[in-house]
Amino acid sequence: EAQVTQNPRYLITVTGKKLTVTCSQNMNHEYMSWYRQDPGLGLRQIYYSMNVEVTDKGDVPEGYKVSRKEKRNFPLILESPSPNQTSLYFCASSLGSNTEAFFGQGTRLTVV
Amino acid sequence: AQSVTQLDSHVSVSEGTPVLLRCNYSSSYSPSLFWYVQHPNKGLQLLLKYTSAATLVKGINGFEAEFKKSETSFHLTKPSAHMSDAAEYFCVVSLSGSARQLTFGSGTQLTVLP
Repeated sequence: EAQVTQNPRYLITVTGKKLTVTCSQNMNHEYMSWYRQDPGLGLRQIYYSMNVEVTDKGDVPEGYKVSRKEKRNFPLILESPSPNQTSLYFCASSLGSNTEAFFGQGTRLTVV
Repeated sequence: AQSVTQLDSHVSVSEGTPVLLRCNYSSSYSPSLFWYVQHPNKGLQLLLKYTSAATLVKGINGFEAEFKKSETSFHLTKPSAHMSDAAEYFCVVSLSGSARQLTFGSGTQLTVLP
C-alpha cells in the first residue's frame, strides 16, 4: 500500500531535549516536505527536499533541522525543543513540486 | 509570491443542503490548485485538483470546484451535504514550475447539522 509513515504519532517532551520525528514513504517520490499545523494558520512548510542531499528552508524553519540521506526517509530534528514548537506535524511526499501530495497521519508534539 | 485566502473559517449547513466553501488565490504564474480534507485526528486527503485542464473539476465524494481566473477563485461545492462531510477543508496553491511544494489556506471548518 502506498503510504507516508510518521513516527511517533504522539510525543510529549521537555524543553531542550533533542528529538527526531521520522518520516518514510514507499512511493519513490522525489519531493518530501514537513509542515506544522496550528489553529487558524493552516499548514506552514518547515523544510522541503527535492531529492537526496537536497534540502531547503520553507516558511518557518527556525528551530528545526532535516536530512535526506536516502530517497525514502526525511527525518525532522528538533535539537533543542521549546514550548512554541508544540504543534501537529505532517510529513508529505509527491512526485513533483506541484503534483498531489500524500500526507502522513501526523505527529502531535507537546513540549513542556 | 503566492497566497491563498479561505474566506470563511467556519461554515454550517444542514444535512441535504448545498455546501459552498470559498477560496481566493494570488499567484504570479499559472497555479495548480487543490482542495484537501482533514477529518478529526486524521491526515489530509486530496479531494480534487486543478492543473490547467478543464476549469470545472470533479473530485471524490460528490465535491467539485470551478477555477475562475478572472476572479482568482477556486470555490468548493457539493449539491447535498452529508453528515460524514463534517471536517476541515484546506484550499492549496502550488506555483507552477516552483521547487517549493504547497501553500495552504488557513482552513474552513464545515459543520453539518442533522
